[in-house]
Amino acid sequence: SQQGEEDPQALSIQEGENATMNCSYKTSINNLQWYRQNSGRGLVHLILIRSNEREKHSGRLRVTLDTSKKSSSLLITASRAADTASYFCATGPNSGNTPLVFGKGTRLSVIA
Amino acid sequence: DGGITQSPKYLFRKEGQNVTLSCEQNLNHDAMYWYRQDPGQGLRLIYYSQIVNDFQKGDIAEGYSVSREKKESFPLTVTSAQKNPTAFYLCASTTTGARYNEQFFGPGTRLTVL
Repeated sequence: SQQGEEDPQALSIQEGENATMNCSYKTSINNLQWYRQNSGRGLVHLILIRSNEREKHSGRLRVTLDTSKKSSSLLITASRAADTASYFCATGPNSGNTPLVFGKGTRLSVIA
Repeated sequence: DGGITQSPKYLFRKEGQNVTLSCEQNLNHDAMYWYRQDPGQGLRLIYYSQIVNDFQKGDIAEGYSVSREKKESFPLTVTSAQKNPTAFYLCASTTTGARYNEQFFGPGTRLTVL
C-alpha cells in the first residue's frame, strides 16, 4: 500500500533555483524519510524526520513535517544539475519492525 | 566496503521460465526487503524478512517466492505464475530493533521478459 503521495509528480527548474517537493500521508507515523533515486539506480537515504520534530536540515536540504496536516516538504536550495533525480518520501509506521511505505515520487530536472 | 549487492544487473527471461535474483548484504542487518518498481512509479513491496528462516508477504507477493536461509542473503524467485514480471527490482536492508528504519538499497536488477 502506498501511503505517501508526492506533489508535484514532475518539476523542472533552472540551476541555482530552489526546489520544493511535498508529501502527504494518511495514517499516523513514527517518522518520515526522504530518498533520492538517480535514473536506473537504487535509492539513497537523504534525511529522516521524527514525528516529534518540525524541521530538520542537512546541507542544502531542509525538511519540514506537519503532523496535524499529515504532510511534509523537502526543500533543496541552490539546486545543481547533479540534483536531477527522483525523490521519494517514505513513512515509518509506529511499530519499529514494519516496513516503510513509499510514495510514487517527484521527478526533478535541474537545467544548467 | 559494507553494502548491498544485487546480481545480475540485467536479466532476460523467456515466458514460462523461473528466474532467481540475488541479494547479498554485509551490513549485519537483520531485515531485508524486495521491491518492484515500474516505469515512473514508486516502490511496491513484494516480500520482507525480519529474521533468518522467516519472511512475510508484502503487497504484491503473488507470482514471487523468497527464502532466507542466511542472514546475508535474501534471493527472490520470479515464477512463471507472475504474469507481468518485466520491471526493476530493488533489494534493501535495515537493522531491526531500531525504532527508525532507514533502509539501505542495492543497485537493482532490471528484468525483461522476452
